[in-house]
Amino acid sequence: GNSVTQMEGPVTLSEEAFLTINCTYTATGYPSLFWYVQYPGEGLQLLLKATKADDKGSNKGFEATYRKETTSFHLEKGSVQVSDSAVYFCALTSDSNYQLIWGAGTKLIIKP
Amino acid sequence: KAGVTQTPRYLIKTRGQQVTLSCSPISGHRSVSWYQQTPGQGLQFLFEYFSETQRNKGNFPGRFSGRQFSNSRSEMNVSTLELGDSALYLCASSLQAGGFSEQYFGPGTRLTVT
Repeated sequence: GNSVTQMEGPVTLSEEAFLTINCTYTATGYPSLFWYVQYPGEGLQLLLKATKADDKGSNKGFEATYRKETTSFHLEKGSVQVSDSAVYFCALTSDSNYQLIWGAGTKLIIKP
Repeated sequence: KAGVTQTPRYLIKTRGQQVTLSCSPISGHRSVSWYQQTPGQGLQFLFEYFSETQRNKGNFPGRFSGRQFSNSRSEMNVSTLELGDSALYLCASSLQAGGFSEQYFGPGTRLTVT
């Protein structure tokens, strides 16, 4: 079945550091890939998405590229801020099961 | 426009009881999905409703059920509660079914079973 694996957290970085959160997937059909973010005390919200191979999703300085050859969708940001501290979830849906499958979530802590 | 609302926000029940949770989607959204979030299992898909029809269901026992009304509001019901049902239950609404379009999440209902 479809699945998503993302790096365990917490990930602790200093402000202005480079961020990578790894996400790999297994899927049948043609998956669409997503990153959702949950800020402290707030609900989940979509950060970015990509719907086909080689697409790059971007938002708020975050980027992720849909790599079919490596079945990956790693999240990156060049310079993180304290306000980026949150839990980040990688997810996929596909035309084989039509439901969002979630990674375990990665807690990101940015220290000033 | 108003976001997704869920009621109640917190609930304490005892084993064997049943519970009903409510979700009001964003106006114009016809898809409502329900998720269970726990520290151990993470986010798990329960079911999705679109235009009053259950479109998809996750791997949960039949004690978990739901419905959607003509105004797109949705309810989920859990019967014969077990301790393991303690979780944050999230509702999300979207324009399209199947998870392909952006899902807008409510704040969740925190259910504690004692």
